Amino acid sequence: GDSVTQMEGPVTLSEEAFLTINCTYTATGYPSLFWYVQYPGEGLQLLLKATKADDKGSNKGFEATYRKETTSFHLEKGSVQVSDSAVYFCALRSQGGSEKLVFGKGTKLTVNP
Amino acid sequence: GAVVSQHPSRVICKSGTSVKIECRSLDFQATTMFWYRQFPKQSLMLMATSNEGSKATYEQGVEKDKFLINHASLTLSTLTVTSAHPEDSSFYICSAPGQGFGGNTIYFGEGSWLTVV
Repeated sequence: GDSVTQMEGPVTLSEEAFLTINCTYTATGYPSLFWYVQYPGEGLQLLLKATKADDKGSNKGFEATYRKETTSFHLEKGSVQVSDSAVYFCALRSQGGSEKLVFGKGTKLTVNP
Repeated sequence: GAVVSQHPSRVICKSGTSVKIECRSLDFQATTMFWYRQFPKQSLMLMATSNEGSKATYEQGVEKDKFLINHASLTLSTLTVTSAHPEDSSFYICSAPGQGFGGNTIYFGEGSWLTVV
């Protein structure tokens, strides 16, 4: 079945550092890909998404490009802030499937001042 | 934008009792909602799909009689954990498809922390 593999955390960075969180997936066809963020004590919020190959999703300085050839959707941000500290989840929705999502295990990011 | 609200955010119950968690779509209608469960340091796992006006669809390995789902209206789905045990302690979160980010988007509630003592 479909699956998502995300880099293990936790990740600890200093403010203004560059962030990469790797995500690869296994799925048939062309799934839609998502990054969700979970701030402490809150639910999940959609951060960005991409629905077809070579699409780039971006939001709040975060970016991820849908790479079909490497089945990847790595999350990047050029300069992180303390407020970016959260757990980040990579997820996919199968092509032509319902709205249910398959998630990676999540990566906890801590940004220190 | 679309908002999904969950209640309660935290609940502690005694072993053997039942607890109900509500999931509401606040400004849109949802014929389908999804219930996920998250164990510590694990990913979210889909438990079931809640369908308005019909029975829920459960994922393999999820006990239907233990996790009762009722989709009472186009804006409300409830998850009832019956005869709760400490191993049911977990983070439960619901989602519903709505419009946003330029197309269909899945919105999540705030989640509910259940502790069974």
